Parts: sequence; C-alpha cells; structure tokens
Amino acid sequence: GQNIDQPTEMTATEGAIVQINCTYQTSGFNGLFWYQQHAGEAPTFLSYNVLDGLEEKGRFSSFLSRSKGYSYLLLKELQMKDSASYLCAVADSNYQLIWGAGTKLIIKP
Amino acid sequence: IAGITQAPTSQILAAGRRMTLRCTQDMRHNAMYWYRQDLGLGLRLIHYSNTAGTTGKGEVPDGYSVSRANTDDFPLTLASAVPSQTSVYFCASSEREGTYNEQFFGPGTRLTVL
Repeated sequence: GQNIDQPTEMTATEGAIVQINCTYQTSGFNGLFWYQQHAGEAPTFLSYNVLDGLEEKGRFSSFLSRSKGYSYLLLKELQMKDSASYLCAVADSNYQLIWGAGTKLIIKP
Repeated sequence: IAGITQAPTSQILAAGRRMTLRCTQDMRHNAMYWYRQDLGLGLRLIHYSNTAGTTGKGEVPDGYSVSRANTDDFPLTLASAVPSQTSVYFCASSEREGTYNEQFFGPGTRLTVL
C-alpha cells in the first residue's frame, strides 16, 4: 500500500529552527510537495522536490532523499504566523498526490 | 473571480438528501480535483478530471459523482448523503496533469450530514 508518515504535532519557540520529517512508501515517485495549511483555510504550496538534495526558499528549505524515502521541511527564524499544519504529499506513478495527515506546528513566544 | 471559488461555504444536510458542491476556477487549468479532509487523515482524492469532458475515480469515489462540461466548472454531487460524508471538501486545480503539477486549492466547503 501507499503510505506517508509525518509527526502529528510539534512545538517550537519563536525565532528558533524546526525540522518536520516525512517518510513515504508509494507506488512510483514523481516528486514530493510540501503545503502549508492554516486552521480553517485551504492548503497553499510551499515547495517541490524531485531530485535529491536541498531546495532553499527564504526561511523555508526542503530536503529529499529518494533512496531513503525521506524528506524534511526546515523552517528558520520562526514567526508566530508559521503556526499551521504542514502537509507532505508525494506524486505517485500516476502523478496523483498521496497526502500525509499533516504536522500541526505550534509556535510559542 | 481570482483563483478557485467554492460554494456553499458550509452546509448542514439531512441524510438521504441530494447535494451539489460547486467549484469554479478562472486560471484555465486543465486538471481539477475534489478532495475530502477529515481529522487525523490526509487529504483523500474523490474524483479528478485531467481535461474538460473526462473524469476519473480517486481513492474514495463511492457515493460521489462529478462532471466536467467545460474547463472552468467541476461540480461534485452527493446523490443521497450519509453521515460518513460529513467532512471538509476542497476543490483544487493544476495547469495540467502529470509531471510538476502544483495544485491550487479553493477555500473549502464544510459539510455536515445529520
């Protein structure tokens, strides 16, 4: 079967760094996406990785290791507005997105 | 219209009633999707359409139907609602199916079936 695993909830302090991990087992791999979803709102796109390595975009970076079936999202200089759920999704062999349940990130002052 | 709109925003529905959730996009995207999101579960694909005139079944299609008469609209119909269909429903679109397909989401419809 297809499976995406990520921690249910994480807590971090304003100004700090946090790493959210995602492991996956899917039938085929055509890229991994990270989305941000604030409570009561729609998911919005953060990053896309299809090759191994680190992609940096401002305060956010995403890493992929295809051989390990592993990705992480790194958030630096945390701000209160970063409190949200972070969703990991993998495009399978049919290019359909398989979604993890999301990681709720709580930022404390 | 900018992006994707969904209607209604929320709805309380009696079991057994028929309901159509509306979705419209103005980005001329070829592919559109319907997901449901339940607490503790990831987004689950109900139905999708890769282009106007075609539709396909996702992971959880039972009890739902869709149509894609034109590029912009992708309505989702519950023929006879049941309480297990209580969920938040998101419509999404992407420029095309396949390869890099960043999906853009509508604001969602919160549906409660009693």
